[in-house]
Amino acid sequence: SQTIHQWPATLVQPVGSPLSLECTVEGTSNPNLYWYRQAAGRGLQLLFYSVGIGQISSEVPQNLSASRPQDRQFILSSKKLLLSDSGFYLCACGRGSSGNTIYFGEGSWLTVV
Amino acid sequence: AQRVTQPEKLLSVFKGAPVELKCNYSYSGSPELFWYVQYSRQRLQLLLRHISRESIKGFTADLNKGETSFHLKKPFAQEEDSAMYYCALSGDGGNNDMRFGAGTRLTVKP
Repeated sequence: SQTIHQWPATLVQPVGSPLSLECTVEGTSNPNLYWYRQAAGRGLQLLFYSVGIGQISSEVPQNLSASRPQDRQFILSSKKLLLSDSGFYLCACGRGSSGNTIYFGEGSWLTVV
Repeated sequence: AQRVTQPEKLLSVFKGAPVELKCNYSYSGSPELFWYVQYSRQRLQLLLRHISRESIKGFTADLNKGETSFHLKKPFAQEEDSAMYYCALSGDGGNNDMRFGAGTRLTVKP
């Protein structure tokens, strides 16, 4: 089964600084990859998903971007963080065929100060 | 567009009481529905999915297409069931765009 590694687990960054959260997946090939943000009272918000290398779909306009340089690597980035970017970010992977589930990483707490 | 609604942010029951976590959805095609659970200090994980028609940890959920609901039920709640529960929907295209509800925090009191 898939194993998802996500880091760093916690991060405190000043406003205006860059961001890079990394996610790698083991145990599967050509997965769909996702970045979610988990906010209290708002559930899990899908930020980006990718069905292949270099293929990124953005769900909401924001200060963040995502990249997939390798099949099992998914990166969430920002050039200049905003206070509103603070939150809990989850990487997830799944397969494209119907009926398969999504597996989540342990998440990354980002605090922008 | 697909949407998942969990009307209750918080739900509290006593141990041994029945519990029902509500989930309603909107989707024009044939959705697949899931329940995910996040226990304290653990990662979010799949609890069950409607296509499996299974019971996990005593929980069941039936997809009601007429009412567009996928409520999660357990006849006798246990303290270890206390967690955050998310209902999720995947559309016709597989899970390219899995959508989650806002979540319900279940507390089972002794």
